[in-house]
Amino acid sequence: EAGVTQFPSHSVIEKGQTVTLRCDPISGHDNLYWYRRVMGKEIKFLLHFVKESKQDESGMPNNRFLAERTGGTYSTLKVQPAELEDSGVYFCASSQSVLGPYGYTFGSGTRLTVV
Amino acid sequence: GQNIDQPTEMTATEGAIVQINCTYQTSGFNGLFWYQQHAGEAPTFLSYNVLDGLEEKGRFSSFLSRSKGYSYLLLKELQMKDSASYLCAVWGNNNDMRFGAGTRLTVKP
Repeated sequence: EAGVTQFPSHSVIEKGQTVTLRCDPISGHDNLYWYRRVMGKEIKFLLHFVKESKQDESGMPNNRFLAERTGGTYSTLKVQPAELEDSGVYFCASSQSVLGPYGYTFGSGTRLTVV
Repeated sequence: GQNIDQPTEMTATEGAIVQINCTYQTSGFNGLFWYQQHAGEAPTFLSYNVLDGLEEKGRFSSFLSRSKGYSYLLLKELQMKDSASYLCAVWGNNNDMRFGAGTRLTVKP
């Protein structure tokens, strides 16, 4: 089966611009998660979708970040306007049902650099 | 609040054994995961512990003590390809994982 796919793999944008990251989870996985890793720090939880609904968005840093999952398939994470501190690697992960002994399957991440 | 602590970096020699520790304080506990992440790649699942004790899987073993809020990942017969970051993550009250900052392991010849 295809894994979790993220696009783009890299993005360099200027402060104030808008960027949209996309995640395609494994087909049939209802749970989709977004995480972010800032250089040298831990992978931090952003939010969790169950199908098209936001189950938990407590990790979203501020209202410049907007995540959607229309139709419960792929998800987008938009940053508008981007700031320097938004730079990092954004990971998406998916799981079939509630978190279980095999954890999630992660995508390879999108490296975002805001200059 | 939640704290998941692990050493930042470790170095070991090819063929040796290394133990990577993780301590945690979280809201609720439903299990602890270890992931391996090579630079520029996705984290990949290594192990899951929910009961106290040692889980062995080939060259890798993971141990959990819930009363102490402590886990370790043990890597035996180290190989150069084991050079990677090792991430400790806890499944707490929410249906998601919270991660430590990761331990960067360097294996030297």
